[in-house]
Amino acid sequence: QLQLQESGPGLVKPSETLSLTCTVSGGSISSSSYYWGWIRQPPGKGLEWIGSIYYSGSTYYNPSLKSRVTISVDTSKNQFSLKLSSVTAADTAVYYCARLLATGTTAIIDYWGQGTLVTVSS
Amino acid sequence: SYVLTQPPSVSVAPGQTARITCGGNNIGSKSVHWYQQKPGQAPVLVVYDDSDRPSGIPERFSGSNSGNTATLTISRVEAGDEADYYCQVWDSSSDHPYVVFGGGTKLTVL
Repeated sequence: QLQLQESGPGLVKPSETLSLTCTVSGGSISSSSYYWGWIRQPPGKGLEWIGSIYYSGSTYYNPSLKSRVTISVDTSKNQFSLKLSSVTAADTAVYYCARLLATGTTAIIDYWGQGTLVTVSS
Repeated sequence: SYVLTQPPSVSVAPGQTARITCGGNNIGSKSVHWYQQKPGQAPVLVVYDDSDRPSGIPERFSGSNSGNTATLTISRVEAGDEADYYCQVWDSSSDHPYVVFGGGTKLTVL
């Protein structure tokens, strides 16, 4: 059974960089047809896609966050990571890592991590 | 950017049918996926490609998609169906395709 687990600091200061890692177990991050992504959910609000990466390093980012986001992959560790720079209180959210099944015309999120709360505060 | 519109809330009595809509410009030309999220938990895929169900999802969950509206239908609603539901598409209309979520609908079982 595929499992995804987020890890990283739960508290980040304003203007600093939020860094999270997702460790994939029970399957290979290098599997074809799958992208790996980050999604966040501010407290009491809806889901927001941050971006996705293929094992080869190809990335797609949410246009509204693109200038602050970097997603990278480490196939040797079966991990992928998120960096979000210049954070503010508006970036406080539960951050989920996920697997996306990608075809030519759609992407389905079929596995999710449990999520990790990141609070931006001084 | 592509926008998906969901009603904030839907209420239904146990045993009745709940219908949750997801509106978008010509959404019928896209594949729509639906997720259920219970409090404190990660979302779970309940319908994909408009109307297919992942293994383990009850047949009570079904979907349709035509024109400018996609619909998630939950038949014979149970108390355990109370949750937030989100629709999602992949917008590939630009050079920078991306995942789009609806704003979510809170299903209340009366």
